Amino acid sequence: DVKVTQSSRYLVKRTGEKVFLECVQDMDHENMFWYRQDPGLGLRLIYFSYDVKMKEKGDIPEGYSVSREKKERFSLILESASTNQTSMYLCASRSGIDYGYTFGSGTRLTVV
Amino acid sequence: AQSVTQLDSHVSVSEGTPVLLRCNYSSSYSPSLFWYVQHPNKGLQLLLKYTSAATLVKGINGFEAEFKKSETSFHLTKPSAHMSDAAEYFCVVRSYQAGTALIFGKGTTLSVSS
Repeated sequence: DVKVTQSSRYLVKRTGEKVFLECVQDMDHENMFWYRQDPGLGLRLIYFSYDVKMKEKGDIPEGYSVSREKKERFSLILESASTNQTSMYLCASRSGIDYGYTFGSGTRLTVV
Repeated sequence: AQSVTQLDSHVSVSEGTPVLLRCNYSSSYSPSLFWYVQHPNKGLQLLLKYTSAATLVKGINGFEAEFKKSETSFHLTKPSAHMSDAAEYFCVVRSYQAGTALIFGKGTTLSVSS
């Protein structure tokens, strides 16, 4: 089975800190995605990447950036964390062949 | 652009009664549609997907969904609810832009009472 691993399950950070959320997939998928999940809003796309060093903005990119230096790793960066970025963050990857999507188990980030 | 609208934020049923979770979609192209389920404090699980084959799609745990182009709907049904079905359900469409990212509805919380 494809695995998408998010490095932290729970994270607490202070306002203004630079925060890195890491996501690693083990099946050589080209496409990777970052979402945030909030009650009543579903999952919203922050950024996606379709290849190494390639990145595109999703629907809510403000306050975030991403890095994809290696195919298997896609990092989400909060440049200066704010309390309104308290959320559940989900990473996903997709095979370009069969369109199967795999989600990580999520990182619940609290900014205080 | 593609989008989905889940028509109910919360649905309550009794155990053993039918389940209907409603979803309408918008897409300029022939859509690929999915239903995902998320149990409390658990990850997302794919229930079923429609990719332009049969319009009636069967999924896991007795769920099924029917693609109706004329109504732009993709409602999720189950003949008889079980307590373990209590969860949040997401209707999802695949984007033709955004790297074919999945576009999620806002979710429907299903409650099942005994």
